[in-house]
Amino acid sequence: QKEVEQDPGPLSVPEGAIVSLNCTYSNSAFQYFMWYRQYSRKGPELLMYTYSSGNKEDGRFTAQVDKSSKYISLFIRDSQPSDSATYLCAMSAGTGGYQKVTFGTGTKLQVIP
Amino acid sequence: AAGVIQSPRHLIKEKRETATLKCYPIPRHDTVYWYQQGPGQDPQFLISFYEKMQSDKGSIPDRFSAQQFSDYHSELNMSSLELGDSALYFCASSSPEGSTAFFGQGTRLTVV
Repeated sequence: QKEVEQDPGPLSVPEGAIVSLNCTYSNSAFQYFMWYRQYSRKGPELLMYTYSSGNKEDGRFTAQVDKSSKYISLFIRDSQPSDSATYLCAMSAGTGGYQKVTFGTGTKLQVIP
Repeated sequence: AAGVIQSPRHLIKEKRETATLKCYPIPRHDTVYWYQQGPGQDPQFLISFYEKMQSDKGSIPDRFSAQQFSDYHSELNMSSLELGDSALYFCASSSPEGSTAFFGQGTRLTVV
C-alpha cells in the first residue's frame, strides 16, 4: 500500500464548477500537506500548503486537512480553463533536518469552457 | 525571487552514453531531492541530500549516482543510459525552516 493515495481521475468539469480533489494517507507522522499544480511538461508548482488539521483559503482555492481521518482535500471554486492541469498532493513529516516529501499519483483536471 | 535552477533543460543521448544533470537549489536551501517522471506518471523519488550527505534513497538504479557539493548544488550522473531512462527529471529544494519543496522546471532527457 502506498503511503499517499490520490483519486486518479481524470476529472472533467464545466467552467464555473466547484472541483474537489482528494488524497488519503497512512503515515500519521505527516504534519505538512501540500498541493502542487503541474502543467504539461513543466515542473510542479507549489499551490498551497497547510500545517496539521484545518482549512486554508487562497482566492478560489481552499485546502482542508482532517488528520483524524488522514484525508486532505483541495477545492477549486469557479473553475477556469486555466485550472486544467495535473494536481499532486504531497506530504512531509515536519521541519528541521531532512524531511522527505511524499507525493500522490496526481489527478488530471480538465475544465471545459 | 530566485528559484531552483536545473540544467540543461533538454538533453538527447544515445543508448549506453552518460548524462549529467545539474541542480542549483534556492539560496539557503540545504536539502535537494531528485525525482524522475515518466510520461503520464507521477514523480518517482530517486535520491535526496541534506547538508551534502545522502539522506534518503528511493528507486534510483545502480547506474545512477548523485552528490551534493559544498555550494549545495547537486548533480545526477547517469551511465549506460537505456531507452527507459527517457523522462523528465526534477530537482527540488527545501530549507531547514520550511517543510515544503520547491521544484525546478526539470530536465527532459531523451535516450535514442
